Amino acid sequence: NAGVTQTPKFRILKIGQSMTLQCTQDMNHNYMYWYRQDPGMGLKLIYYSVGAGITDKGEVPNGYNVSRSTTEDFPLRLELAAPSQTSVYFCASSYFAGAGYNEQFFGPGTRLTVL
Amino acid sequence: DAKTTQPPSMDCAEGRAANLPCNHSTISGNEYVYWYRQIHSQGPQYIIHGLKNNETNEMASLIITEDRKSSTLILPHATLRDTAVYYCIVRVSNSGYALNFGKGTSLLVTP
Repeated sequence: NAGVTQTPKFRILKIGQSMTLQCTQDMNHNYMYWYRQDPGMGLKLIYYSVGAGITDKGEVPNGYNVSRSTTEDFPLRLELAAPSQTSVYFCASSYFAGAGYNEQFFGPGTRLTVL
Repeated sequence: DAKTTQPPSMDCAEGRAANLPCNHSTISGNEYVYWYRQIHSQGPQYIIHGLKNNETNEMASLIITEDRKSSTLILPHATLRDTAVYYCIVRVSNSGYALNFGKGTSLLVTP
């Protein structure tokens, strides 16, 4: 299994441009997440999905959109990029079947700079 | 949602045990304590989790106090590859069981 894969690894955007960060998992996990991490800080939740067709906002959703048309893919869309969106973006997935243990598996991250 | 408090940094000599503390005084009865670590800005990696009892796996041990208000992650024989940021986490129950990351503890293992 490849686990959680993210593309691209690095990207530089100009202010006002748009882009989509790709995330794919091959573990048949129902839950998927997008986090962002600013320098020296912990990860903050942007959006999450509990299954195909179901998404919801996390702590910092402004300026982002997501979709979940398949179990495997959970792309993150940035519209009108701003310097405040310069960050490292991590996608994660987990299998949840009820209360208790749900280890999250993380991708390698996408490092985005907006100039 | 329960929050956690960790020291910002710690040092440990290679081969010695690293004991990383975490306070979670507002944890509720059904919330687990998870530990993850992040090496060189890679994606975080799961280490261990627990509810009430002490836990051990091939990577670490987790000691949870009887009142569940604090815990300690123990790396029994730290190596240079254990240098990382360690996060003590209680999950966010209202957001798809997402993980509520703080700033963690930056552990430096020295030769």
